[in-house]
This record gives sequence, structure tokens and C-alpha cells, in this order.
Amino acid sequence: EAQLVESGGDLVHPGGSLRLSCAASGFTVSNYMSWVRQAPGKGLEWVSIINSAGGTYYANFVKGRFTISRDNSKNTLYLQMNSLRVEDTAVYYCVRGRGYIFDYWGHGTPVTVSS
Amino acid sequence: DIVMTQSPESLAVSLGERATINCKSSQSVLSRADNKNYLAWHQQKLGQPPKLLISWASTRESGVPDRFSGSGSGTDFTLTISSVQAEDVAIYYCQQHYSAPLTFGGGTKVEI
Repeated sequence: EAQLVESGGDLVHPGGSLRLSCAASGFTVSNYMSWVRQAPGKGLEWVSIINSAGGTYYANFVKGRFTISRDNSKNTLYLQMNSLRVEDTAVYYCVRGRGYIFDYWGHGTPVTVSS
Repeated sequence: DIVMTQSPESLAVSLGERATINCKSSQSVLSRADNKNYLAWHQQKLGQPPKLLISWASTRESGVPDRFSGSGSGTDFTLTISSVQAEDVAIYYCQQHYSAPLTFGGGTKVEI
């Protein structure tokens, strides 16, 4: 059975950095994987995707600040977040993809950016 | 970027009634290459992560009750719950899986 467990969310000051991790079981992260976020009381917002070839794409609002990566040997997905802003405050979900279809979601890890 | 617009923002229905949620994309998500509509619907219950209900506009995921159905093509899509049950209280989001940046509608809250 598929399982995704996110970790690494924390309270950080504006301008700070965090690395989120997502440990997968029951399937491999070597295919399409994404990060999607949800600000408090708001809707869903796609952040980044890595495809089966290792190609990466980012939402415009995180380009140059966030980096998605994975370690296939650990079956783990990562999101390195730098230059964090107050508006990056959200629950960050790790999501398995069938291509660009988000077919299985983790429970999320909360990130709070505040001074 | 493809902008997804949902309506209504919220919907109150009685148990057993039909619920209809609309989703409009700013450009067509119908692929000429494979004649498929690249549109998904997700359900998010309170305090839970989203769950994929439907992809390709009308293909239900395994285990999703058949009271949920998706329809539409091109830029206009609909999610219908034929007979709303108490466990269907949730926020429903459409999502285009046609091209990056991947985008969601703003969500429709279904209440009893």
C-alpha cells in the first residue's frame, strides 16, 4: 500500500531556509512526484514537479528559491526552500503523480514563515 | 498559465439531492493528439489531504462511488454528485493536468 510521510516543516524567519523530506513506501519516487501547498484557509497551489527523467518544473512564485530533488536509493523526495517569505506559510503536501495527475497525497508538513 | 475558475464557491444541498459543481479553464485542456480532456477532480475533507476522485474529465478512480461523475470537454467541465451523502461534505477542486504550471480551481465547498 502506498504511503507518503512528509517531515521538515518548522517555524522559520523571513529569509531563512528549510528542507522538506517525503519518505515513500509501497512505490518508487523515481516517477513523477510533486509538491503542492495550501496556505491556511486557502486553496491548493502547485509548487514543483520532478518527472521520471529528472526534469524539474516550478511555479513562477518559487523559481530560483526552491529546488526539488530525490534520492532513489532512499526512496525520498525533497524540497529545498531558500529565501522564505511570509507568503510561503502553508501546509506542504508531497504528491505522487501519474504524469501530471496527482493521484496520491501525503498528509502534509506545516511551514510557518514569521518574524 | 491556464486559469481554472470554479462555481459556485459553496453549495448547500439536502441529503439525497444532486450537487453540481462547475469548472472552466481559460484555454482548452482537450488534447488534439489523443482526444482526451486533461482535467481532474479532487475531494478534500476537513483536516485531511486531498483525494483524487476523477481524471481525464470523467474517469473515476478505483473505489470512488459511482454517485460521483465528471463530464465536459474543452474548457467547461462539471462534477456531479447524483445523491449527496453525509460523507460527501468536503471541498472539491478541479485541476488541469494538461501543462505546467499545473493549476487548480479555487474550490467548491459542499455542505448539507
